Order: sequence, then C-alpha cells, then structure tokens
Amino acid sequence: GIQVEQSPPDLILQEGANSTLRCNFSDSVNNLQWFHQNPWGQLINLFYIPSGTKQNGRLSATTVATERYSLLYISSSQTTDSGVYFCAPSGSARQLTFGSGTQLTVLP
Amino acid sequence: DAGVTQSPTHLIKTRGQQVTLRCSPISGHKSVSWYQQVLGQGPQFIFQYYEKEERGRGNFPDRFSARQFPNYSSELNVNALLLGDSALYLCASSRDSSGNTIYFGEGSWLTVV
Repeated sequence: GIQVEQSPPDLILQEGANSTLRCNFSDSVNNLQWFHQNPWGQLINLFYIPSGTKQNGRLSATTVATERYSLLYISSSQTTDSGVYFCAPSGSARQLTFGSGTQLTVLP
Repeated sequence: DAGVTQSPTHLIKTRGQQVTLRCSPISGHKSVSWYQQVLGQGPQFIFQYYEKEERGRGNFPDRFSARQFPNYSSELNVNALLLGDSALYLCASSRDSSGNTIYFGEGSWLTVV
C-alpha cells in the first residue's frame, strides 16, 4: 500500500505566524485530502486536492503528483488552528491512507 | 443538512464482549467507510461499503464485520473484544466510491477494560 510521511511531526507557533506542512507519499495517487482533527477528535476536511493548488481563506494546499508530495500552507495562524493535520492520499484501492499527522500548537 | 452521525459517542465494554457501532451518512451519499484511530496515530481503514456491497477491506481480523442498509446507514460490529480494540471509530461518507471528497462523523470512543 501507499506509504505516507508527514513533516514536521510537531510544530509550535506564535499566533500570526505562517507555516508549511509537508506530505510525501510513495506511489501515484488519484486522490489526496487534507484534514484537521480538533482536540475533540472531529476530522474536518480541508482540501480535496489530487493535483494543483487550492486556496480557502488563510489555508492553501498544493499537490505535485508527479513528484509525490503535497504541501499545506497556513498563514496568519490563530489559536483555533491548533490540532493535528493529516494528509490522506488514495491510489487504485480508493481507501484513504493517513499519515501520522503534524501536531500544531498555536500560542496566543 | 445533517452531517455524518454516529452512535454511541462513548462506550465501555469488557474483554470478550461484542459491540455494534452505527453510522448515518450525509443525505444523498451512498458510500460509507469505517476507520479505526488508536491514540497518537492516524486513522486506519477498516471497510468501505457502496450501494450495500463491500468495496474494500483493510487489514483487520475477521472479528470485525460491517454492513450497509438500504437507507445507506451502516453498522460496524466487533466480536470478542480485546484491550487493543480501544480506539476512536470513525465513520465517513462520500457521494460514491470513486474517491471524491469524504466527510467524517464525530466518532465513537470505545474503551475495552
């Protein structure tokens, strides 16, 4: 199956700072999604982005499928951005394979 | 429209018991998937159902089973519970099985003692 590696594993920011989260995957994919898991366990879908670039407010994501990586950008971070960010690609099997996540803490 | 709903939200079971978890997908969604998330790890795929048929199965023992009903709701059953089954069980729905945007419910927290 697809191997997924996310970096960094932990990130601590001051409110207002920008950050970039990276996701490397081992095989070609036909789907890639980014999720934010809040402290209560709820997984929120941020982006469906098998290729290209998308933006949603302070968040944007880029996937370069040919080079097997995806990036999630968070600008002007807020304390409510804290939580775990997961990258989840899927290949021919169509099931999502989650990385181990990036634990983001934004300090006031 | 309501999102993905799961029940129960929390439950405690004893080793060897059986548990049934329930999920209602978003209205209009025909595909339901189940994931297990152990503390400190990312979710792991258990099953996918589409139009009441199993479309995928992850690397889980036969103690785990699931089904999808005509109204597209789903149940996950786990028999002969082990301590290691303690986890957050997440249900997700999508319009079809082709891998488009997937939405998760709030999960069922299972503790096995």
